[in-house]
Amino acid sequence: EIVLTQSPATLSLSPGERATLSCRASQSVSSFLAWYQQKPGQAPRLLIYDASNRATGIPARFSGSGSGTDFTLTISSLEPEDFAVYYCQQRSDWPLTFGGGTKVEIQ
Amino acid sequence: QVHLVESGGGVVQPGRSLTLSCAASGFTFTNSGMHWVRQPPGKGLEWLAVIWHDGSTKYYADSVQGRFTISRDNSKNTLFLQMDSLRAEDTAVYYCARSCAGDCFGAFFDYWGQGTLVTVSS
Repeated sequence: EIVLTQSPATLSLSPGERATLSCRASQSVSSFLAWYQQKPGQAPRLLIYDASNRATGIPARFSGSGSGTDFTLTISSLEPEDFAVYYCQQRSDWPLTFGGGTKVEIQ
Repeated sequence: QVHLVESGGGVVQPGRSLTLSCAASGFTFTNSGMHWVRQPPGKGLEWLAVIWHDGSTKYYADSVQGRFTISRDNSKNTLFLQMDSLRAEDTAVYYCARSCAGDCFGAFFDYWGQGTLVTVSS
């Protein structure tokens, strides 16, 4: 199965700062990668699909890039509501897999 | 609007069975692939199973292959997960989720239910 490794595990930043999250795949997933945001007690929410496309209703401060094995989620300027856990997920092959998550916390 | 509502969670003894349901509304259920994803307390997400829109194809994670069965009743807009031979490590919140539709087409998840907690304990 394709293993997705996210780094860092925790990112401590202040509101207004730029957040850069990484997801690395154990083999190429082409552009078949998504990013989700999850807040405590809530279901995940789709942010980015196919590596760089924002899902419906997602603010422009969220952007995704990459292809093959290396992907990045960037939040250009953190808002208070952006402090959460972020997961990447691939749909290149079965079984579908998620990364272990990056927690973005308030510094 | 799209609504997915899971039910059927609870406390169950190891080795026993449990069936989860997911009631769907607000979209054409018969056009959508559907998934189950779980999350152990305090841990990350694990995809479990998918079923094609017409029930013709199913895939499973290795961790549940042979123990869990995904199914659907398109006449009732309902998705199911039958879980047999439950283990302590199956303790988790179980989410149903829809395969992306529209521009976001494919096995990403654009809508999720609120989840139902399954606790496997004696």
